Amino acid sequence: GDSVTQMEGPVTLSEEAFLTINCTYTATGYPSLFWYVQYPGEGLQLLLKATKADDKGSNKGFEATYRKETTSFHLEKGSVQVSDSAVYFCALSVPGGGADGLTFGKGTHLIIQP
Amino acid sequence: GAGVSQSPSNKVTEKGKDVELRCDPISGHTALYWYRQSLGQGLEFLIYFQGNSAPDKSGLPSDRFSAERTGGSVSTLTIQRTQQEDSAVYLCASTLTSGGPSYNEQFFGPGTRLTVL
Repeated sequence: GDSVTQMEGPVTLSEEAFLTINCTYTATGYPSLFWYVQYPGEGLQLLLKATKADDKGSNKGFEATYRKETTSFHLEKGSVQVSDSAVYFCALSVPGGGADGLTFGKGTHLIIQP
Repeated sequence: GAGVSQSPSNKVTEKGKDVELRCDPISGHTALYWYRQSLGQGLEFLIYFQGNSAPDKSGLPSDRFSAERTGGSVSTLTIQRTQQEDSAVYLCASTLTSGGPSYNEQFFGPGTRLTVL
């Protein structure tokens, strides 16, 4: 079956540090890949997505590149802010399969200290 | 317009009782999804509806769980004879449609936090 593996947290960084959160996947079809973010007390929000190999998704200074050869979709940001503190989920979906249900990683809790 | 709403936001119940969780999707969204977020399991996909139909119920954790959707809008997730391991946040999401050739973004509600004592 499909699965997503992402680095366990919490990840604690200082403001303006460089961020990488690793994500790798296995999928039976050709998946679309996503990063979702859950800020404290809020619901899940789509942060960025990529639907085919070598696509780069980007939003709010975050980027992730769909690497088919390494089955990875690592999330990066050049300079994090305190407001980026949240839980980040890597996810995949195989379009056309009928359900489009998302398969999520377990989430990485990111803490940014001033 | 309004986003996905869920009620109640918090529910505390005693082991063995039944609970109903409600989801109101975004107006016009035909597809609706239920997920469960728990400490040990992360986010699990439970079931989806296209219109009022749920083609695949295999993601439901046990036969104590059931879900229905009426009028192509509101959905309820019912858990019978609740157990402590059912404690989790239950998330609902909706999207315009499902099963097409490209992904339609899922919009999530704030969730219902269920605590079974």
